[in-house]
Formats: sequence, structure tokens, C-alpha cells
Amino acid sequence: EAGVAQSPRYKIIEKRQSVAFWCNPISGHATLYWYQQILGQGPKLLIQFQNNGVVDDSQLPKDRFSAERLKGVDSTLKIQPAKLEDSAVYLCASSADGRLDTTKNYNEQFFGPGTRLTVL
Amino acid sequence: AQSVAQPEDQVNVAEGNPLTVKCTYSVSGNPYLFWYVQYPNRGLQFLLKYITGDNLVKGSYGFEAEFNKSQTSFHLKKPSALVSDSALYFCAVSRRGTYKYIFGTGTRLKVLA
Repeated sequence: EAGVAQSPRYKIIEKRQSVAFWCNPISGHATLYWYQQILGQGPKLLIQFQNNGVVDDSQLPKDRFSAERLKGVDSTLKIQPAKLEDSAVYLCASSADGRLDTTKNYNEQFFGPGTRLTVL
Repeated sequence: AQSVAQPEDQVNVAEGNPLTVKCTYSVSGNPYLFWYVQYPNRGLQFLLKYITGDNLVKGSYGFEAEFNKSQTSFHLKKPSALVSDSALYFCAVSRRGTYKYIFGTGTRLKVLA
């Protein structure tokens, strides 16, 4: 079973520029998450999708961050314009929908390798 | 509000000795609890989880964790540490009925040869 794929792995941009990250979850996983992990901290949830609908985006800075999962499979997270404090690792994770099949590792999230963003 | 505390920023242990990485949580109702490990330039890798049942949970790479409801703790343990266990460990909690994780701030484990 292929894991969660993310690209790019590294990105360096200047402040006020735009950047986009891509994530492809594990096949069949209904739920997709984007996390921000700042150096020295635990991952913080930015947005959670169930299929192509947003479940939770309460911690997404909506003035500059946007995310979409149009077909309920892969997802894109965008930052426009970037600020210095956006420097972090952006992690994508996915999980099966436990409501449909309780054998599918209910609630367990599988993480991609992350994208390390440096804003200069 | 949900929260997770990992009181130690770093734990040092000699190779071959037992290790413990501490985690306490605050969540309403019965929680789901998880441990993940992060190696440099890698994503988080799942180690183990507590959903229900036995309080002692066994996971990958010889790790185990004990769920203690009265102390609201979920400490990660291993009987004999390896140098290769050196990494960053994260505890996470999820409230039943949701899929949302709250992570702790992480504990860096350093196993000394």
C-alpha cells in the first residue's frame, strides 16, 4: 500500500510570494488533514477534509491560506502572500472513514514526509 | 478543551536501559491516544494507539504504552533502549466521535551508546 505523497519536499521563497503544496492521500482514505509544524512544536491542524467537504478549518489563517480537495482525492494547500512566520514543515495526513468500516484502522492518521517551507 | 502535555523536552537514557517518555492529557469523555515518532526530515510514523480494552498497548519496534485513566496519562515505554530509538516522540489525543488530533510539543529521546 502506497503511503501519503507530498510535493515538493523543500521550498524556499521570499516573503510576499505565493506557494502551493500538493498531497495525495492513501487510496480510499476519506479524510485528509493539513498540519503546520513549526520548529520545536507539535503539529497544529490547519484544515480537515471529509471527502471534498471541509470539516474543520478553525485554525486556518484564511486571509492568506487556502486549501481545496475538489474531487475528494488529492489536495492543494496555498499560501498567498507568505510571511516570515509561515516558515515551517507542512504535513499532510489521511485516515479511513471509520463510520464505514471499523476494521480500517479507525481514527488512525498516516502522515506524508512533509514539505519544509523557508520564507526569507 | 483538549490538551496534551509532554513535560520533558528531552530524555537521555543509556543503551540497554529501560526508557519512559511521559504524556498526560485532558479531554472530555474517553479519549483515543496515540504515539508517533519523527526522525529527521521524515514525517510522523505511527507507533501505537489506545482505543479501548487492555490498558497496556504494544506497538512497533518493541514500544508499549500504558493507559491510566485515573492519572490521565499515556506514558511510552520500552524495556531496553537502542541507539536507533533516538528521535522526536509525539503524543496525541483525539476525542471519541471526532477525527481531530491534538499533539503534544514533543520529547526528544537521546539514547547514548
